[in-house]
Amino acid sequence: GENVEQHPSTLSVQEGDSAVIKCTYSDSASNYFPWYKQELGKRPQLIIDIRSNVGEKKDQRIAVTLNKTAKHFSLHITETQPEDSAVYFCAPVDTGRRALTFGSGTRLQVQP
Amino acid sequence: NAGVMQNPRHLVRRRGQEARLRCSPMKGHSHVYWYRQLPEEGLKFMVYLQKENIIDESGMPKERFSAEFPKEGPSILRIQQVVRGDSAAYFCASSPGPGGTEAFFGQGTRLTVV
Repeated sequence: GENVEQHPSTLSVQEGDSAVIKCTYSDSASNYFPWYKQELGKRPQLIIDIRSNVGEKKDQRIAVTLNKTAKHFSLHITETQPEDSAVYFCAPVDTGRRALTFGSGTRLQVQP
Repeated sequence: NAGVMQNPRHLVRRRGQEARLRCSPMKGHSHVYWYRQLPEEGLKFMVYLQKENIIDESGMPKERFSAEFPKEGPSILRIQQVVRGDSAAYFCASSPGPGGTEAFFGQGTRLTVV
């Protein structure tokens, strides 16, 4: 199965700073790379995803970069705001064989 | 589109009873996934289903747990003879394509075993 690791496990930044979370995976057949945000007591929400034929994708303040050779992808949040505070999960997957395997999560705290 | 609907939102069961958790996928989604989450922990994969088929149940405990996604009606996660350790949030997700591509989650069912 897929082994997924996220770093760091916790991240505290000042409002307006950037935050970067890295996800490493083991299955070289993985072809879909989403990031989910989960606020306390709520459901995970898909915030951005990327497929294996693309190296980078951006959506306003959020971007994802993929390095398939090194088997890692990263979430970048710029101009952080207090409402970005949440737990972020990566979930790389080989969509032809498996379902999403979630990392252990990164707790992001944005200090106002 | 009402999104992924799970019910009940909260469920309390005594040890030894059965728990039935329901999940209606988003309209047009034929792939359903169940995940379990303990407080302050990540999402653990349990089972992946399509209509009338179990695609991957490698995350399901061998005993007491079962899942189905019938031709008509919601997907059901059934836990028989519940124990305190079954207390958790159970999330269902659905996707239009395989493997969890663009998967959306329901609000979850919080099971408490007393």
